[in-house]
Amino acid sequence: DAKTTQPPSMDCAEGRAANLPCNHSTISGNEYVYWYRQIHSQGPQYIIHGLKNNETNEMASLIITEDRKSSTLILPHATLRDTAVYYCIGMSQYALNFGKGTSLLVTP
Amino acid sequence: EAGVAQSPRYKIIEKRQSVAFWCNPISGHATLYWYQQILGQGPKLLIQFQNNGVVDDSQLPKDRFSAERLKGVDSTLKIQPAKLEDSAVYLCASSLDSAGRVYEQYFGPGTRLTVT
Repeated sequence: DAKTTQPPSMDCAEGRAANLPCNHSTISGNEYVYWYRQIHSQGPQYIIHGLKNNETNEMASLIITEDRKSSTLILPHATLRDTAVYYCIGMSQYALNFGKGTSLLVTP
Repeated sequence: EAGVAQSPRYKIIEKRQSVAFWCNPISGHATLYWYQQILGQGPKLLIQFQNNGVVDDSQLPKDRFSAERLKGVDSTLKIQPAKLEDSAVYLCASSLDSAGRVYEQYFGPGTRLTVT
């Protein structure tokens, strides 16, 4: 499984886009990039995943570079409820290996 | 749709005692996972079941931890005897895919264990 690197913390103003970067330079061709988040005192919540192409759903967009060595999770209009720890995970098949993630603080 | 259920939500025990956690996954989900999350860290996989068979238990401390998933539905995780370093949140998750592939995992609220 690919090792991922994320900044430990980020701030974002409410209503602005939150762009969370992730480096996964060792990712192999069949490994997906998954993003989960964990709000305080809750279990992790799936956000989005992708392989090569950019992906969008109702929660977020995932931009993967052409060489697949990095990706960015975009929350287009961050709200206070988006304050959480965001995990970027490179994974091929089985269970998720969480790192320490990025602690995102959305401020009023 | 009901989510992943876990009980108890909180448990305080003394070291060397035993404890058990229960998980009921989302109906129809073939794969069930137990994770351990120590304060300040991301969740760490302990064991993964596909139906009632074990797919991966390489990080389960088998001298003190055990888990079962009878009939391929709900599951229990047991610690006996507990150590101070077992203080953590124990998370259960399930996913639909019967082939054991990851896709979207749904997590329960967790059980917070404190060992004194």
